Amino acid sequence: EDKVVQSPLSLVVHEGDTVTLNCSYEVTNFRSLLWYKQEKKAPTFLFMLTSSGIEKKSGRLSSILDKKELFSILNITATQTGDSAIYLCAGDDKIIFGKGTRLHILP
Amino acid sequence: EAGVTQSPTHLIKTRGQQATLRCSPISGHTSVYWYQQALGLGLQFLLWYDEGEERNRGNFPPRFSGRQFPNYSSELNVNALELEDSALYLCASSLIGWARSYGYTFGSGTRLTVV
Repeated sequence: EDKVVQSPLSLVVHEGDTVTLNCSYEVTNFRSLLWYKQEKKAPTFLFMLTSSGIEKKSGRLSSILDKKELFSILNITATQTGDSAIYLCAGDDKIIFGKGTRLHILP
Repeated sequence: EAGVTQSPTHLIKTRGQQATLRCSPISGHTSVYWYQQALGLGLQFLLWYDEGEERNRGNFPPRFSGRQFPNYSSELNVNALELEDSALYLCASSLIGWARSYGYTFGSGTRLTVV
């Protein structure tokens, strides 16, 4: 059965800290791994990863995929209170989502 | 460009009733996806429609059904509502074939509460 597992489920850090969010997956016919940020209701697209070892970067956020070990990480450096959100990871094909990591940044 | 719109924003129903949720995709998008986000369970894939046809279905009972109209908007129907159907229902749209390059665009969801 396809599954995506995220860890930790919840994380509280202080502003300025760096965080690493984890996503492991077992997805039949894997094509890509997607990261989303959900602040209130509508998840917003962050990254799509298809190739191993190639880092994708957007400002303070970056992500990388390891297709051999079947996991991905999302890094956020110099965190800000606006980074507080649920971060969702999804395996493609049927778009199987993990339960998300709830990140809270303390000022 | 208007995003994915969902209605209603909130819906309160009694157990056993039927609920109808609506979704209008981004103009030009032909694929619509429905997800259920219950507390603590993450996003659960419900249904995928494209060009008016159901393309894929998640592990939900048959009382969850839907359809896609010629204008690509979509309806999700939940019959014989149960308390555990209370959740945020999210709709997403994409250009089929582009989805895996650009991800999906989500609407703001319908919060369904079953009492």
